[in-house]
Amino acid sequence: DVKVTQSSRYLVKRTGEKVFLECVQDMDHENMFWYRQDPGLGLRLIYFSYDVKMKEKGDIPEGYSVSREKKERFSLILESASTNQTSMYLCATRLGQTEAFFGQGTRLTVV
Amino acid sequence: AQTVTQSQPEMSVQEAETVTLSCTYDTSESDYYLFWYKQPPSRQMILVIRQEAYKQQNATENRFSVNFQKAAKSFSLKISDSQLGDAAMYFCAYSSGANSKLTFGKGITLSVRP
Repeated sequence: DVKVTQSSRYLVKRTGEKVFLECVQDMDHENMFWYRQDPGLGLRLIYFSYDVKMKEKGDIPEGYSVSREKKERFSLILESASTNQTSMYLCATRLGQTEAFFGQGTRLTVV
Repeated sequence: AQTVTQSQPEMSVQEAETVTLSCTYDTSESDYYLFWYKQPPSRQMILVIRQEAYKQQNATENRFSVNFQKAAKSFSLKISDSQLGDAAMYFCAYSSGANSKLTFGKGITLSVRP
């Protein structure tokens, strides 16, 4: 079974903090994604990576950056957390055009 | 840019009945893939069904089937013999054949009445 592990299920951070959300997969998938999920807005793509050190902006990249130094790990970074970044964050991996596999999500609250 | 539209935010179905969830999409591409994902209260997203655009036959997975109308750019999900465990958010998603990026709709919350 594919396993996609997000480092935290719940996280509370203060405004202005630098926040790291980690995602690790164990299936050698080249594609990894970070989505943000908000009520009424569905899943919106923040960034995705199609290979090590390769990244591409999604639909809402402002205020975020990413890092992919190893194939199995894709990190989402909030450089200076703000209250409007309070949300559910979902990591996903995908091999080509096969199904995407998701982590369990991190519910981030910025206070 | 591709867009996926799920216009109904909520639906309700009686247990054992059939329900259809609607999805439309917009693309100028001919090679693409469509998906329905389920997100139960546990938050774990799981694939329900997948359709390749080049296939004319509608995909089926047990009680789940799709009505894929390529010309109309419509991709609806039919759930037969609804069960309490089907209660969840359902997301329609699109993927271009040119890359692996997945674009999701806003989702629909399905409740199942016992």
